[in-house]
Amino acid sequence: QSVLTQPPSTSGTPGQRVTISCSGSSSNIGLNTVNWYQQLPGTAPRLLIYSYDQRPSGVPDRFSGSLSGTSASLAISGLQSEDEADYYCAAWDDSLNGVIFGGGTKVTVL
Amino acid sequence: QVHLVESGGGLVKPGGSLTLSCAASGFTFNNYYMTWIRQAPGKGLEWVSSISDSGSTVYYGDSVKGRFSISRDNAKNSLYLQMNSLRAEDTAVYYCARRFISSSKSGFDPWGRGILVTVSS
Repeated sequence: QSVLTQPPSTSGTPGQRVTISCSGSSSNIGLNTVNWYQQLPGTAPRLLIYSYDQRPSGVPDRFSGSLSGTSASLAISGLQSEDEADYYCAAWDDSLNGVIFGGGTKVTVL
Repeated sequence: QVHLVESGGGLVKPGGSLTLSCAASGFTFNNYYMTWIRQAPGKGLEWVSSISDSGSTVYYGDSVKGRFSISRDNAKNSLYLQMNSLRAEDTAVYYCARRFISSSKSGFDPWGRGILVTVSS
């Protein structure tokens, strides 16, 4: 059971906007930055968003991150077939003194 | 180009030991925190352990505390994970990853391709 809660799955058609929520608490998201990872089928994860809303070089600007209280969100605008993947949020937790991951959200492009 | 390559995985019996290695190249290794993350078959990501750039500070997830030991050799640009008292639930692909930005808690990137550890009799 993950300390960060994500929906198991979501879907959309090409061009649509989808959002993935990541619900935490005052010991993690409320205190520390949130990072998002994308894992394409059969590959290692890659950093998609760091420090809530920053994109590493090479990440398309259709991916964006935001924060509201102790919840973070990842939005994908203009959904494309190559966005079909698993997405994970992560943050440092001060109570556990370690990194915690959300359970992951599978995005399906219909 | 930044490159991380894990090695040392394989099949081990419950209660056994294994040491994973991660060879780093393409960056100044001793400037970065390093981390091990695992993924059980068909499951999500689980943080295992992290080590500071100098090696003086280490962190462990509750599920491995007291059984696993992280270390690094900055002269050899290498990261290690000594795994003892292995259990079936330790079966996973183990990834080595670098802190994205050396000076901040900026997440992990890049990641290695991962190495499979199977604990079974």
